[in-house]
Amino acid sequence: EAQVTQNPRYLITVTGKKLTVTCSQNMNHEYMSWYRQDPGLGLRQIYYSMNVEVTDKGDVPEGYKVSRKEKRNFPLILESPSPNQTSLYFCASSLGRANEQFFGPGTRLTVL
Amino acid sequence: SQQGEEDPQALSIQEGENATMNCSYKTSINNLQWYRQNSGRGLVHLILIRSNEREKHSGRLRVTLDTSKKSSSLLITASRAADTASYFCATDAWHSGYSTLTFGKGTMLLVSP
Repeated sequence: EAQVTQNPRYLITVTGKKLTVTCSQNMNHEYMSWYRQDPGLGLRQIYYSMNVEVTDKGDVPEGYKVSRKEKRNFPLILESPSPNQTSLYFCASSLGRANEQFFGPGTRLTVL
Repeated sequence: SQQGEEDPQALSIQEGENATMNCSYKTSINNLQWYRQNSGRGLVHLILIRSNEREKHSGRLRVTLDTSKKSSSLLITASRAADTASYFCATDAWHSGYSTLTFGKGTMLLVSP
């Protein structure tokens, strides 16, 4: 089944404790991206990747890192999480940046 | 950078009625997409309409695009309780030399039995 998976689905952590949210897709898509969704602000892009070893900042990249060592995986790294990073995070993949996006199920992160 | 803006923010209707949501945007686009999101879940792609198309259908969904008014509408006919969700438009537009897909803030639709 074609899908985008994210782990963990829920995470409660404390300020400053490094964490990684994994994202994996099995559709051989070149384009992958991370979004955060907050009430009243909609969906905002954090980082995206056009292909392996090619990543770039989206609209709200501060406090986040990503890597794309393999085509299928695109982890999101929070080196030192802060409470303002409490949000619902989505990973998405597609054939190209403007094509139909396939979204993962979301990761609800709470930073205390 | 917010490109598309949905209207209304929230819509409440009865089962069987039609639901219309609008999306307005600011700059020229290559295509416009509509997505649906059930509470707290990932977005699901519904339909894509290209800038040279005026109308597109998919089942009970009808999307129109008016590039002169920079607006699009999503019509759901004969709505069902299962259509309750948030609906987002996403615009593909050129920004700083490359095309970018930007999502609006969504319309929350409640369909009551």
